[in-house]
Amino acid sequence: AQSVTQLDSQVPVFEEAPVELRCNYSSSVSVYLFWYVQYPNQGLQLLLKYLSGSTLVKGINGFEAEFNKSQTSFHLRKPSVHISDTAEYFCAVSSHAGGTSYGKLTFGQGTILTVHP
Amino acid sequence: NAGVTQTPKFQVLKTGQSMTLQCAQDMNHNSMYWYRQDPGMGLRLIYYSASEGTTDKGEVPNGYNVSRLNKREFSLRLESAAPSQTSVYFCASSEQALWANEQFFGPGTRLTVL
Repeated sequence: AQSVTQLDSQVPVFEEAPVELRCNYSSSVSVYLFWYVQYPNQGLQLLLKYLSGSTLVKGINGFEAEFNKSQTSFHLRKPSVHISDTAEYFCAVSSHAGGTSYGKLTFGQGTILTVHP
Repeated sequence: NAGVTQTPKFQVLKTGQSMTLQCAQDMNHNSMYWYRQDPGMGLRLIYYSASEGTTDKGEVPNGYNVSRLNKREFSLRLESAAPSQTSVYFCASSEQALWANEQFFGPGTRLTVL
């Protein structure tokens, strides 16, 4: 079984400050990791994903995340946030355990990022 | 190219009523999914369809049924709505039901069961 824990339910920051949204996962097999963003009253859209290779992954809107296998973490970072980054962010994991375990994402609880002027 | 569309956007039901949530995608994707989103719980998979003609249960299937009408459309039915089904429902699709594939989400249906 796989699970995802987002360590902060809400993160308030000021505009132009750096931000880190924390995500830890557990899985007994190899994983693929994703960050999705949900703007108010909209569906989710993909920010970035880690499949393999470099552990530092760059996504859209200046976000990046680092895969750390030893700490089972996939934290999302941005060096300077904007008001428009206010949204809810979801970390998700997909793992392959054979059988029918295809393409099913397990989501974290979500982190609400609020950027203040 | 509309992506993933869902109807209706909002719905209020009384306990015991039934309804069907509609979802369609125009990306020629093989796989489609239904999730529910509840505060503090992220998204949970209700049912998915890896390909046309197949459906499988997800994490929280009780009280729901689905139909993969064709490659484009995947509907979710509540036969006898309960207040515990008050939630936001999202439909998603992906090229294949593979663990590396990005899922594309619709705008959601906000359902309230009184």
